[in-house]
Amino acid sequence: DAKTTQPTSMDCAEGRAANLPCNHSTISGNEYVYWYRQIHSQGPQYIIHGLKNNETNEMASLIITEDRKSSTLILPHATLRDTAVYYCIAKNQAGTALIFGKGTTLSVSS
Amino acid sequence: KAGVTQTPRYLIKTRGQQVTLSCSPISGHRSVSWYQQTPGQGLQFLFEYFSETQRNKGNFPGRFSGRQFSNSRSEMNVSTLELGDSALYLCASRDPGLNEKLFFGSGTQLSVL
Repeated sequence: DAKTTQPTSMDCAEGRAANLPCNHSTISGNEYVYWYRQIHSQGPQYIIHGLKNNETNEMASLIITEDRKSSTLILPHATLRDTAVYYCIAKNQAGTALIFGKGTTLSVSS
Repeated sequence: KAGVTQTPRYLIKTRGQQVTLSCSPISGHRSVSWYQQTPGQGLQFLFEYFSETQRNKGNFPGRFSGRQFSNSRSEMNVSTLELGDSALYLCASRDPGLNEKLFFGSGTQLSVL
């Protein structure tokens, strides 16, 4: 019962901005969107989350469309260490757990 | 603060055996969730414990069980292991007052032969 869809993979040059899109047209109005990433052989790492307004922290920025049907995670200056699988996440229908989906594999190259 | 600690890091078992995995959450976190990660199915939610009570459960057979102790440490048990149980088992803790910001451990890689 995944509620989010993401591209399977993306490439980005080191130093450039990485813009990772996510569609979440079926989430409810009071449901947050979360972003995590997973570097090979490690557990997922929280990046950012948002409801309606754009959010920014030390790792990334999150832009949510006004209709809340999609969002974009922005890594402003991608580095090789940002190579990872990025998950855009919402809760399952019962509201009891985060559903991770397949994510986007971001490859940052020099 | 120390992060989420999972032990052991690697485990090899044979079909039919049972296994117990351990997770120590971040100090002060009373919620612990368990996820199974496989190449084919990705990350799947197993269950969540809060204050020693199972609060939510995913769609896994009864062979998968867990518990949480008074110090918030958690264990999960898988009985009668099957080849398909080979996976990375991830534990995550959170402070329920901070929405769903989960802090994951590095996981236990279980191989069933």
